[in-house]
Amino acid sequence: DAGITQSPRHKVTETGTPVTLRCHQTENHRYMYWYRQDPGHGLRLIHYSYGVKDTDKGEVSDGYSVSRSKTEDFLLTLESATSSQTSVYFCAISGVRTEAFFGQGTRLTVV
Amino acid sequence: KNEVEQSPQNLTAQEGEFITINCSYSVGISALHWLQQHPGGGIVSLFMLSSGKKKHGRLIATINIQEKHSSLHITASHPRDSAVYICAASYFGNEKLTFGTGTRLTIIP
Repeated sequence: DAGITQSPRHKVTETGTPVTLRCHQTENHRYMYWYRQDPGHGLRLIHYSYGVKDTDKGEVSDGYSVSRSKTEDFLLTLESATSSQTSVYFCAISGVRTEAFFGQGTRLTVV
Repeated sequence: KNEVEQSPQNLTAQEGEFITINCSYSVGISALHWLQQHPGGGIVSLFMLSSGKKKHGRLIATINIQEKHSSLHITASHPRDSAVYICAASYFGNEKLTFGTGTRLTIIP
């Protein structure tokens, strides 16, 4: 299995609190992604990174920020969680013309 | 705009049937990915291809660059093949993945 792990795997948090999800890879892949998956919407890109300190927005970036200070770590932060951010979050890694690998997913519930 | 379209959205078949899932995309892809997600499960890469055909067990993926089309075939389908199958494309100059909406496959014993 590719070396990509997400933490935490499950989290319940209260509305208005900050939340950080972590994605860690050992593959040295250039590209890292955060997606959310909701019923009826499939996978939607939140943010992605194409190198250390190089990030860009995806289609559903409002309310989220990211940071990548090292090749192996990509953090997703919800500055002030809302119920609409209850979802399953997936991290993925890929390189140019390489397979994509996904983390196990993080189930986040905002109450 | 780079887009990826999948069909059908839902597919139900009897065990043993030959399954085909289709994916069409815009010009200029660098690679086309097929992914699988079992209910409540993680997402697994099945294939990555930029030309021709690849086979792994009962799964076959093909791509036709001229027609901008890829297919995923499953031979001798089995209930354990029941899952959501997703195609995704990366494009030259912007390698981030663009996903199709997925095909939910159900194989009935």
